[in-house]
Amino acid sequence: GDSVTQMEGPVTLSEEAFLTINCTYTATGYPSLFWYVQYPGEGLQLLLKATKADDKGSNKGFEATYRKETTSFHLEKGSVQVSDSAVYFCALRGNQAGTALIFGKGTTLSVSS
Amino acid sequence: GAVVSQHPSRVICKSGTSVKIECRSLDFQATTMFWYRQFPKQSLMLMATSNEGSKATYEQGVEKDKFLINHASLTLSTLTVTSAHPEDSSFYICSASTDSNQPQHFGDGTRLSIL
Repeated sequence: GDSVTQMEGPVTLSEEAFLTINCTYTATGYPSLFWYVQYPGEGLQLLLKATKADDKGSNKGFEATYRKETTSFHLEKGSVQVSDSAVYFCALRGNQAGTALIFGKGTTLSVSS
Repeated sequence: GAVVSQHPSRVICKSGTSVKIECRSLDFQATTMFWYRQFPKQSLMLMATSNEGSKATYEQGVEKDKFLINHASLTLSTLTVTSAHPEDSSFYICSASTDSNQPQHFGDGTRLSIL
């Protein structure tokens, strides 16, 4: 079945450092890909998405490009802030109607000043 | 933006109690709602998918008699954990979507603790 694999954390960075969180997927067909963020004590929020190959999703300085050839959707940010500390989930959704999101295990990011 | 309200946010109860969790879409009609369970430091595991007016589709390994799901309207789905035991303690999260081409919007989750 479909699955998502993302790098294990925690990832610990200093403020203004470059961030990469790797995500690869296995799926049949052409899924949509997502990054969700969960801040401490809160629910999940959609960070960005891409629905087809070579699409780039971006939001709040974060970017991820849908790479079909490498089945990847790595999350990047050029300069992280303390407020970016959270758990980041990579997810995919198949293109059949009513399909649920399938999540990776999540990567905890901790940014210090 | 689309808002999903989940209630209660936290429940602590004795073993053997049945607990109902509500998930409401406040400003849109959710044809499909999803229920997830999240163990500490782990990912969200899909429990079931519910479509308004029809029976929920449960994932393999999820006991349908244990986790009763009702999706009676386009804005409300409920998850009832029947005769809860300590091993049912977890973080339960719902999400709602208007259709497969739209993002899922998540509730803030319910932390269930069974003593």
